[in-house]
Amino acid sequence: VQLVESGGALVKPGGSLRLSCAASGFTFSSSGMHWIRQIPGKGLEWVSAIAPSSSYKYYADSVKGRFTVSRDNARNSLYLQMNRLRDEDTAVYYCAKECCGGNWFDPWGQGTLVTVSS
Amino acid sequence: EIVLTQSPATLSLSPGERATLSCRASQTVNNYLAWYQQKPGQAPRLIIYDTSTRATGIPARFSGSGSGTDFTLTISSLEPEDFAVYYCQQRNNWRGTFGGGTKVEIK
Repeated sequence: VQLVESGGALVKPGGSLRLSCAASGFTFSSSGMHWIRQIPGKGLEWVSAIAPSSSYKYYADSVKGRFTVSRDNARNSLYLQMNRLRDEDTAVYYCAKECCGGNWFDPWGQGTLVTVSS
Repeated sequence: EIVLTQSPATLSLSPGERATLSCRASQTVNNYLAWYQQKPGQAPRLIIYDTSTRATGIPARFSGSGSGTDFTLTISSLEPEDFAVYYCQQRNNWRGTFGGGTKVEIK
């Protein structure tokens, strides 16, 4: 099972960025997926979740209305479209697979760094 | 929102010693609690879920316990590879929140 994120970059406040997560080694179309972020040197914050069929999508209050999660099961890929980025969105963004009854995250990708700065 | 408070912030121990980490929730989490281990430069790894179930490949020296609002992760005898930061996490419906972490460092 492997998850590989990409798309992190330096972006100005108010800008946009799209993160991708390529999945392999498991049946992606049957798995709920999540985005979780970590400010460098700090703790973890859950960001977003998406159902296997995209039937539900959930967001943390801090990103609701600015971020959009999506997936392409044919391409085994997960995405996070981030708009109207703020300084406080600077973090390492991880994608993670739901496991163990659906409440937990395992495994995680290696993360991709998003830096929002002028 | 359920807030998770971990203590202590840092635990300084020697290899072979027992580590006891605490996680307290601001309201009951109905045993939906997990623990993750994170080493520098790496992603977190699930080690315990549903309060006390070890994830695949996790050695038996790791154990979890607790109920309601108070939970404990115990490492019975620290190995060199166990020195890391540990986070607890709960899932309340679809939203998950994490504690602030406990760093287990070499004394």
